[in-house]
Amino acid sequence: GAGVSQSPSNKVTEKGKDVELRCDPISGHTALYWYRQSLGQGLEFLIYFQGNSAPDKSGLPSDRFSAERTGGSVSTLTIQRTQQEDSAVYLCASSAHFGGGTGANVLTFGAGSRLTVL
Amino acid sequence: AQSVAQPEDQVNVAEGNPLTVKCTYSVSGNPYLFWYVQYPNRGLQFLLKYITGDNLVKGSYGFEAEFNKSQTSFHLKKPSALVSDSALYFCAVRDKNRDDKIIFGKGTRLHILP
Repeated sequence: GAGVSQSPSNKVTEKGKDVELRCDPISGHTALYWYRQSLGQGLEFLIYFQGNSAPDKSGLPSDRFSAERTGGSVSTLTIQRTQQEDSAVYLCASSAHFGGGTGANVLTFGAGSRLTVL
Repeated sequence: AQSVAQPEDQVNVAEGNPLTVKCTYSVSGNPYLFWYVQYPNRGLQFLLKYITGDNLVKGSYGFEAEFNKSQTSFHLKKPSALVSDSALYFCAVRDKNRDDKIIFGKGTRLHILP
């Protein structure tokens, strides 16, 4: 597609419920990132997929968080047993990670999924 | 592991004055460096990047940034600020020599005063 698509744009859930957030990156982009943006916390790295390599999960805040990327394209971020501190905007971004072109390493962000845990 | 610091939570500048938003970084190898901007109620947009070559990088909307290896800095600058430059600015880094992730600083909110 022309841009990075994320769904849902807004999600309100009750504490303890599971949620799934979806990211559809730009076609052909090998790198896909998930970040979390909370008030006053900047952009917190969560997980990074690059091609067929094992993902870098070092930013996931707890084992309640997981993500997968199927077929090198669409990614799903799953949060189990949501807590109020999980409330944030979850941002997905993709890039053509390698190569000397002007677009290499430049992240294109989706509009984000705003999660509110009551 | 790489890291990025933006020491100022907020910067206030009068319209027409030059502006600087500070960024320092730490990587084990050589860096790729980036600036992104987030306007109110809008998504994050790429401004400019340093990959190699000239230390002074020019980007969108009249912004530029200077890579200083000895000071491990990549400050964002603009000669004359506009009210429309008011936004949240993020510095980011990736280690060039590793298949590593891009990480961001905490952001600096820029207020341009009319």
